[in-house]
Amino acid sequence: QVQLVQSGAEVKEAGAPVKVSCKASGYTFTTYAMHWVRQAPGQGLEWMGWINAGNGNTKYSQNFQGRVTFTRDTSASTVYMDVGSLTSEDTAVYYCARGRIVVVPGAYLYYFDYWGQGTLVTVSS
Amino acid sequence: DIQMTQSPSSVSASVGDRVTIACRASQGISTWLAWYQQKPGQAPKLLIFGASSLQSGVPSRFSGSGSGTDFTLTISSLQPEDFATYYCQQANNFPGITFGQGTRLEIK
Repeated sequence: QVQLVQSGAEVKEAGAPVKVSCKASGYTFTTYAMHWVRQAPGQGLEWMGWINAGNGNTKYSQNFQGRVTFTRDTSASTVYMDVGSLTSEDTAVYYCARGRIVVVPGAYLYYFDYWGQGTLVTVSS
Repeated sequence: DIQMTQSPSSVSASVGDRVTIACRASQGISTWLAWYQQKPGQAPKLLIFGASSLQSGVPSRFSGSGSGTDFTLTISSLQPEDFATYYCQQANNFPGITFGQGTRLEIK
């Protein structure tokens, strides 16, 4: 069965970096993109972007471009999300989610069929 | 980016009720829409994709409809386990994927 297992909760000082991992199992890792979604306390879902686990290509939401980096290790079936310099506004639960792609004329669509359990990142100022 | 607006923001209902949640896109998105259910402390769960296709394993009391800019999620007969927050998501990778703000479904 498909599973996405994320690393544990982090407490960081403002200005510090953080790296969250997401280990996939139960499917061919390189045939799907992995997306990242953020959820601030008591708030809704915010899409951050994706990494193609096969070729390493990435796409970032404009809100996160230049602040986060996605990487992957195919030998470990694991993707990583790096935030370079945290602020208090980055306090949130971060989810990885497998993107099921549907190609239609003129568009690539992604639906998130499996999710990790979430990683809480708390930033203290 | 395409903005997604859900209504209502919260709704109270009883077990056995029929409930409808609406989602409106700021521009036409064909049927490129999904619905998710999220319970407290849990990750979201995919319910509906392609506006009306039921994800495997999801009970048939959930259904979705709509195209273009207006979409609905209907729960035909509420069960105790359905009380949760529901999100719509527009699925187009360009310029970027966006979610609605969520609708909280509470027990009356």
